[in-house]
Amino acid sequence: EVQLVESGGGLVQPGGSLRLSCAASRFTFSSYGMTWVRQAPGKGLEWVSAISGSGGSAYYADSVKGRFTISRDNSKNTLYLQMTSLRAEDTAVYYCAKVYCSSTSCPTVGAFDIWGQGTMVTVSS
Amino acid sequence: SYELTQPPSVSVSPGQTARITCSGDALPKQYAYWYQQKPGQAPVLVIYKDSERPSGIPERFSGSSSGTTVTLTISGVQAEDEADYYCQSADSSGTVVFGGGTKLTVL
Repeated sequence: EVQLVESGGGLVQPGGSLRLSCAASRFTFSSYGMTWVRQAPGKGLEWVSAISGSGGSAYYADSVKGRFTISRDNSKNTLYLQMTSLRAEDTAVYYCAKVYCSSTSCPTVGAFDIWGQGTMVTVSS
Repeated sequence: SYELTQPPSVSVSPGQTARITCSGDALPKQYAYWYQQKPGQAPVLVIYKDSERPSGIPERFSGSSSGTTVTLTISGVQAEDEADYYCQSADSSGTVVFGGGTKLTVL
């Protein structure tokens, strides 16, 4: 079964840093764009960042641009999100997700067909 | 960036048809996708490319598009369909947007 497992969440003080990981299994990781989506407690989904299969292209929401960095290690089938200068409003469950590819197209962003279970990040003093 | 607008809530009785709309100026040019999210769980893709259904998603879920509005239709709603539903789109510059979500209540 295709699977994504996030880790690295926790409690961090405002201004601090944290690195999230997303371990992928049972699919050709390097062939797919990947994304991070977050959900603050009781709120809706918010897209954070996306990266192409090769890692050569990365995209960010305005709310995290300049503070968060997405990356991937295709040899380890792992996606990362390095978060710096964290704020209280970054408190959320962070999900990684895999882009859906059809037989004719495999974009970096589009529909996301496989999601991890999420990892909670709490920014508080 | 652009916005996607959904009604906060929709209520329907079991067996009836639920329709959840999503509006946005960019939708005539971009595909829309729909997700179902139950409490404490990760989202599940239920519709892609406006109207395509992933394998394993029941046939009662369907999608349509007209101008700046896309619609998720759930025919013969069941109690298990009670959940939050989100629309989403993505543009060629790599920007992804989610709608605010709609809580579907099965009465």
